[in-house]
Amino acid sequence: AQRVTQPEKLLSVFKGAPVELKCNYSYSGSPELFWYVQYSRQRLQLLLRHISRESIKGFTADLNKGETSFHLKKPFAQEEDSAMYYCAPRGSGNTPLVFGKGTRLSVIA
Amino acid sequence: EAEVAQSPRYKITEKSQAVAFWCDPISGHATLYWYRQILGQGPELLVQFQDESVVDDSQLPKDRFSAERLKGVDSTLKIQPAELGDSAMYLCASSSIQNTEAFFGQGTRLTVV
Repeated sequence: AQRVTQPEKLLSVFKGAPVELKCNYSYSGSPELFWYVQYSRQRLQLLLRHISRESIKGFTADLNKGETSFHLKKPFAQEEDSAMYYCAPRGSGNTPLVFGKGTRLSVIA
Repeated sequence: EAEVAQSPRYKITEKSQAVAFWCDPISGHATLYWYRQILGQGPELLVQFQDESVVDDSQLPKDRFSAERLKGVDSTLKIQPAELGDSAMYLCASSSIQNTEAFFGQGTRLTVV
């Protein structure tokens, strides 16, 4: 069965501290992995995807196929990073995203 | 910048009444999704369209929910009759064949009283 786990419901860090939001998945085949973010009063939007290997807003995520993980990291958290973060794998073809329950990141000044 | 449009933004309805939500995807996006997001949870897929055809509606409670995309452009999601447990945010998203990124609308927050 397709499953994605975000073990932390809430993560609070101080500004300037490193951040790691965990994501583990159970998926058949070779899924494509995404992180979506939702800032307060804004719509859900793509943060990054593993295929592009980009760093967006200082965030990176490495796909570890052995551990089936796709953790999101940032070396120095900023207050504007406070938001809900969702890990979302999708299968091959035009299949839909499957979302985790999300982690609320709170960056404290 | 093109965006997915949804209306209404908020809807309050009494249980057993009918309610409908509308979604206009980004122009040219063949794939349209309806997700439901209960408070404190991640979005869960209700139905996926490819043009006007339903690709996946396995999680749609078909006894009360229906969705259509008659001309392969905008879409309507209906609930009849609404139940208290249907209170949630209903999100619409679209994507193109070429790009697997899904773009989301602002959502419709439904409260059933």
